[in-house]
Amino acid sequence: DAGVTQSPTHLIKTRGQQVTLRCSPISGHKSVSWYQQVLGQGPQFIFQYYEKEERGRGNFPDRFSARQFPNYSSELNVNALLLGDSALYLCASSLADRESYEQYFGPGTRLTVT
Amino acid sequence: AQSVTQLGSHVSVSEGALVLLRCNYSSSVPPYLFWYVQYPNQGLQLLLKYTSAATLVKGINGFEAEFKKSETSFHLTKPSAHMSDAAEYFCAVSDVVNAGNMLTFGGGTRLMVKP
Repeated sequence: DAGVTQSPTHLIKTRGQQVTLRCSPISGHKSVSWYQQVLGQGPQFIFQYYEKEERGRGNFPDRFSARQFPNYSSELNVNALLLGDSALYLCASSLADRESYEQYFGPGTRLTVT
Repeated sequence: AQSVTQLGSHVSVSEGALVLLRCNYSSSVPPYLFWYVQYPNQGLQLLLKYTSAATLVKGINGFEAEFKKSETSFHLTKPSAHMSDAAEYFCAVSDVVNAGNMLTFGGGTRLMVKP
């Protein structure tokens, strides 16, 4: 079975621009979460979606938004990019939105803001 | 909110030596704990998880971790290191957020394996 897929792999944007990152979960998984990993740090939680509804939001500004589609794929949007948004953005999928379910991560999208 | 502390941002061992990566958590309730490994320029791969079924958890690639409630620890071990084990390791605890759940990660430990 295919794992979690993310696109694009790499992205370079300029300050003030907007970016959209995409994620396809493992087949059968209905929950998608997004994390930001700044170089040298552990990932930080941004959003969780389950059955197209937002289930959780981390401590990120409103410039960050996301949505989940009927096929359970998801998009993360970041507006008005700042240099500090440069990071690896990871998508994770799980069967459901319960604590006991392990989350499986994709390879990430490396975003560079110049 | 839960928190995770990984002692030692860098650990160096010789090939064949014991690997010990430390993780301490703070939680007011029995936690769900995870260890992930990240190879350069890749995403996170799940090594093992603790969900209260057994205190000693066996994972992939010969790794195991022991949950010790009295010490609030979940250290990762491997009896004999291989060169291929060189990577970044993250301990994580699952936490409730709003109507869902999230993972809170430690800062990571970079494991270096010397020949």
